[in-house]
Amino acid sequence: DVKVTQSSRYLVKRTGEKVFLECVQDMDHENMFWYRQDPGLGLRLIYFSYDVKMKEKGDIPEGYSVSREKKERFSLILESASTNQTSMYLCASRLRDSSPLHFGNGTRLTVT
Amino acid sequence: KNQVEQSPQSLIILEGKNCTLQCNYTVSPFSNLRWYKQDTGRGPVSLTIMTFSENTKSNGRYTATLDADTKQSSLHITASQLSDSASYICVVSTPYSGGGADGLTFGKGTHLIIQP
Repeated sequence: DVKVTQSSRYLVKRTGEKVFLECVQDMDHENMFWYRQDPGLGLRLIYFSYDVKMKEKGDIPEGYSVSREKKERFSLILESASTNQTSMYLCASRLRDSSPLHFGNGTRLTVT
Repeated sequence: KNQVEQSPQSLIILEGKNCTLQCNYTVSPFSNLRWYKQDTGRGPVSLTIMTFSENTKSNGRYTATLDADTKQSSLHITASQLSDSASYICVVSTPYSGGGADGLTFGKGTHLIIQP
């Protein structure tokens, strides 16, 4: 079974802090994703990576950056956390375009 | 603009009853449609995939249908169980080169509650 592991289930950070969310997958998947999930808005794509060191902006990249130095690890960085970035963050991976997404269990981030 | 609309937003039914969740989409070109189940506090998990040529597909008590002409899909749950309580998310895929960064358009989900 594919396993996607997010480093933290819950995080509480202060406004202005730099925040790192880490995600690791164990199935050698090419594609990795970061989504945020908010009530009434569903899942929205922040960034997507289709290979090591490659990244593409999603629908809501403002205020975020990503890093993919190794195939199995995809990090989401909030350069200066703001209260409107309080959300559930979900990492996912997939083998190829037609494959299902495999999600981690999410990180609930609260910015105060 | 590509869109996926799900209905109802939320649904409460008694254990043992059947229910049907709807997904309408305007995504084009179409590659496939997936239904995901998201339990509280967990990430979504794929239940089934529908491709253009498939009308019906079953996965245990879950049966998905697809009408590619009307761009509608449904997920029917038979003899519901308490463990079916979850959000169900419809996701439509376009060929990567024709879609957004991930080629996926997500519905906002249907929140299903099964009461004993």
